[in-house]
Amino acid sequence: GAVVSQHPSRVICKSGTSVKIECRSLDFQATTMFWYRQFPKQSLMLMATSNEGSKATYEQGVEKDKFLINHASLTLSTLTVTSAHPEDSSFYICSARDTGGGRTTDTQYFGPGTRLTVL
Amino acid sequence: AQKVTQAQTEISVVEKEDVTLDCVYETRDTTYYLFWYKQPPSGELVFLIRRNSFDEQNEISGRYSWNFQKSTSSFNFTITASQVVDSAVYFCALSEANLQGAQKLVFGQGTRLTINP
Repeated sequence: GAVVSQHPSRVICKSGTSVKIECRSLDFQATTMFWYRQFPKQSLMLMATSNEGSKATYEQGVEKDKFLINHASLTLSTLTVTSAHPEDSSFYICSARDTGGGRTTDTQYFGPGTRLTVL
Repeated sequence: AQKVTQAQTEISVVEKEDVTLDCVYETRDTTYYLFWYKQPPSGELVFLIRRNSFDEQNEISGRYSWNFQKSTSSFNFTITASQVVDSAVYFCALSEANLQGAQKLVFGQGTRLTINP
């Protein structure tokens, strides 16, 4: 249980294009999902909190117009990197918060990540 | 503000040795959760354990054990009889708990553990 998928796993795009990353909770409902960014050999930095049916909450310094987040259902959140540039190249990881009860409720389960390379 | 410190950037040991990964946290909240995650080379974060601030019982799961000491704000992780497959980056994380449940995670910088055959 508690499986989170992410698609695509790897994407290479040209500068100026937009890239959409999907995050799905496969066997539980997630009213809250989180998007993180990780640079090589560094820790995870929270970008935004995605809430089903409402606007995302962005961390300080994260451009909401550049990183569009949509959480249209209890199992799917999407992150769109608009007009991507080389400095946006990074490892993007989503997580979904299990609120279904049980011993590990309120635990965040992570997707496998998406490696974005912008040329 | 909440903060998690993993002072050990890298640790390298020989297989079968025991190894302890340190984690120290700072928070003003009286209710919070602590986590450990493993990130193997594939990149996916694997959940290992969650501990809430009211539960100071140490936990053992196979070769893994965790020592939560509220008095020193530490939540250390020990791997007994390490194996090559334990090689990964390990993250300690803290989240505040409120009426809506656990919220966003604050991660430590991670400890890169290498187990040599």
